[in-house]
Amino acid sequence: QSALTQPASVSGSPGQSLTISCTGTSSDVGTYNLVSWYQQHPGKAPKVMIYEGSKRPSGVSNRFSGSKSGNTASLTISGLQAEDEADYYCCSYAGSSIWVFGTGTKVTVL
Amino acid sequence: QLQLQESGPGLVKPSETLSLTCTVSGGSISSSTYFWGWIRQPPGKGLEWVGIASYSGTPYYNPSLKRRVTISVDTSKIQCSLKLTSVTAADTAIYYCARFSDDSDYFDYWGQGTLVTVSS
Repeated sequence: QSALTQPASVSGSPGQSLTISCTGTSSDVGTYNLVSWYQQHPGKAPKVMIYEGSKRPSGVSNRFSGSKSGNTASLTISGLQAEDEADYYCCSYAGSSIWVFGTGTKVTVL
Repeated sequence: QLQLQESGPGLVKPSETLSLTCTVSGGSISSSTYFWGWIRQPPGKGLEWVGIASYSGTPYYNPSLKRRVTISVDTSKIQCSLKLTSVTAADTAIYYCARFSDDSDYFDYWGQGTLVTVSS
């Protein structure tokens, strides 16, 4: 099972919106609406930001939103803030009780 | 508040077995709603799903590691363990223990991670 494909890096200015893509196949992202997104600051454990494609856990800012089109899931951060600078990973169910992470995206706030 | 803490040797020799333990506090390890899993991250690289297990059911493993990995849950010790045999330098990584919600398919609580280096 190959890792989901994410852009290596994206950047934006404070207040702007940015979107991170997560491209899989018809065997994972395209078939299941079970994509989660994790934020990881340097030296820290990942933290879930979105689950089941578009749902936010309690306590996560509504500036974070998720969506899906075909084999590609997306995470959008609106009203970009300095604290959003981190690495972001998508994760999808891939069938047969297997999950796969994305390659990761470094978000830089300019 | 649920807390997870990984423990185990920080250095393992090539061809030997990597063994880690995740101790859970502040909650039950016996719920059928949750699995307990391991995710690893080579230094400077991305996350890799290793596998998950519940206290009562079949474990599930990354196909690329399946021949070498065992994950088990010990309810009496409130621990989840990871064993990875025949390690090589490619297994050097930070290993995270995490709780997986079976209802919603995501890892909701994570340990701080522990670095394991494979070297002679």
